[in-house]
Amino acid sequence: GESVGLHLPTLSVQEGDNSIINCAYSNSASDYFIWYKQESGKGPQFIIDIRSNMDKRQGQRVTVLLNKTVKHLSLQIAATQPGDSAVYFCAENRGFKTIFGAGTRLFVKA
Amino acid sequence: GAGVSQTPSNKVTEKGKYVELRCDPISGHTALYWYRQSLGQGPEFLIYFQGTGAADDSGLPNDRFFAVRPEGSVSTLKIQRTERGDSAVYLCASSSGQGSYGYTFGSGTRLTVV
Repeated sequence: GESVGLHLPTLSVQEGDNSIINCAYSNSASDYFIWYKQESGKGPQFIIDIRSNMDKRQGQRVTVLLNKTVKHLSLQIAATQPGDSAVYFCAENRGFKTIFGAGTRLFVKA
Repeated sequence: GAGVSQTPSNKVTEKGKYVELRCDPISGHTALYWYRQSLGQGPEFLIYFQGTGAADDSGLPNDRFFAVRPEGSVSTLKIQRTERGDSAVYLCASSSGQGSYGYTFGSGTRLTVV
């Protein structure tokens, strides 16, 4: 079936480095994507979103890139900090539902 | 309140028992969602309310699961005859309009069926 998923279950980066988390999706009709951050014991927290009519969107220290040709999106975190340690989910909006991938756990090394 | 509140935060129940999980959404949010998150997985959609009505309950796994939102605010997820496979974190989210557009999630209720 159609899905959205992440490439790697874990990612370890040095504090201060940039992090890149990748995600692939299968539904070429998908038009709205969201990145969520989930810390232990908490619900997912909205980070940034992007629509299919865009290929890049920037927030505070975060950038999302969307490549519709290869159905791939990525989340870039600049100057990664210890507080960025969490599980990151890419998610796809399908009408009223949000379809989540399995998540990538980001470890930040001091 | 300022965020989505879920109670209880933890619930341990015996197999076969009935449980109720409560969600208080952000005041004024008309859309309310329930998701279930198993260990190591992303949240899975269960049900969506717009106002008082369940606009989409296609994610409820079977008829042991039921949710209500009688006054268009607080919602209760009800699980009958609980099974060990129901153990998961049940997340509630709310938003101000139709569609996802970035939900605000609660911290969830961790349900353990023993």
